[in-house]
Amino acid sequence: QQQVKQSPQSLIVQKGGIPIINCAYENTAFDYFPWYQQFPGKGPALLIAIRPDVSEKKEGRFTISFNKSAKQFSLHIMDSQPGDSATYFCAASKPQGGSEKLVFGKGTKLTVNP
Amino acid sequence: KAGVTQTPRYLIKTRGQQVTLSCSPISGHRSVSWYQQTPGQGLQFLFEYFSETQRNKGNFPGRFSGRQFSNSRSEMNVSTLELGDSALYLCASKKNGGTQYFGPGTRLLVL
Repeated sequence: QQQVKQSPQSLIVQKGGIPIINCAYENTAFDYFPWYQQFPGKGPALLIAIRPDVSEKKEGRFTISFNKSAKQFSLHIMDSQPGDSATYFCAASKPQGGSEKLVFGKGTKLTVNP
Repeated sequence: KAGVTQTPRYLIKTRGQQVTLSCSPISGHRSVSWYQQTPGQGLQFLFEYFSETQRNKGNFPGRFSGRQFSNSRSEMNVSTLELGDSALYLCASKKNGGTQYFGPGTRLLVL
């Protein structure tokens, strides 16, 4: 049972483009939605995260849009650069007394061409 | 500040063997979680340890086990290895209630 569905599987954009990656979740108990970036040979690194009490969060060129009623959230990368080429994962977790069991989407491989 | 370190980085085992992977968390982080990453299943949560106690676990068979030491370092063990256990095993540490920081992973190949 996949609790977080991520699309697309892969994405190719030109430098300066705005790739958008979408995720949908099922469990309404989720209250924390992070995005991770992973380069080959490295572990995932936290990019940006959001909680359901806000509809949008920006950090630098990265923006999360959150739609609680639709149970969907998305990552936008403004002015994308070749260095942004990586695999991006959305995730979700629910409150468990300080514990955090992340449920991940399957990932999106982003390629930004120069 | 040093990041999460995992050893070894690469490992080759044969079916039926067992393996132990090690994770040293960021200094001050008492929570350590383990994840399995495969091309087919993606990233899946194995278990989390906090103050030497397992406080959360995923849906993996009992062949997968772990422990945490008093200095917060953690080990995970997989017994009776199967071909399907070939994966990147990731460790993540955090302060209680904080953000998870991942290590580079241990790539396990089971032949």
